[in-house]
Amino acid sequence: RKEVEQDPGPFNVPEGATVAFNCTYSNSASQSFFWYRQDCRKEPKLLMSVYSSGNEDGRFTAQLNRASQYISLLIRDSKLSDSATYLCVVNDEASGGSYIPTFGRGTSLIVHP
Amino acid sequence: SAVISQKPSRDICQRGTSLTIQCQVDSQVTMMFWYRQQPGQSLTLIATANQGSEATYESGFVIDKFPISRPNLTFSTLTVSNMSPEDSSIYLCSVEGLGLVTEAFFGQGTRLTVV
Repeated sequence: RKEVEQDPGPFNVPEGATVAFNCTYSNSASQSFFWYRQDCRKEPKLLMSVYSSGNEDGRFTAQLNRASQYISLLIRDSKLSDSATYLCVVNDEASGGSYIPTFGRGTSLIVHP
Repeated sequence: SAVISQKPSRDICQRGTSLTIQCQVDSQVTMMFWYRQQPGQSLTLIATANQGSEATYESGFVIDKFPISRPNLTFSTLTVSNMSPEDSSIYLCSVEGLGLVTEAFFGQGTRLTVV
């Protein structure tokens, strides 16, 4: 069974703080990796893809360590609007060249004034 | 990218009845996924639906309880049969993008309450 593990939190941080989320996955053959954001009562939406070389989008930085099967998300200068649940997602190849995503249980972030 | 229209957005149903949820995609996709998200939990994959073949169900989910149709490459339905209060949840359909690095796109979700 393929597993994606995340610390559920919640992480409760003040505005302006830096916070890091971690995720581990069990399938060494997993193909692609993502962080999604889910707001309360909404569907998940893609935050960013995760590459081995690391990628940055404004205040968000994602890292992938294939050897350790570990993914991270760093949020700098936290805003109140960053409060949400962050889902780690791992794609595994299925038959026919398609991919099946496996979701972590999500990490809750609460940013307070 | 893909735009998915899912309906109904919410429903309150009597136990013992069935509800069919529809997902319409604005482009042709090979695989569609149906998820359940219970309060405070992450997404649990119910089944994968390919056009022209029976859906593949994950452990703990069976076709009699969650029959799925996939008549073409842009549409799918999930039925929650003989509902009980334990079926109260959010149900989400999803499709993958195209290419090697694929992200998932979601419908808006169906919030089901069984009374």
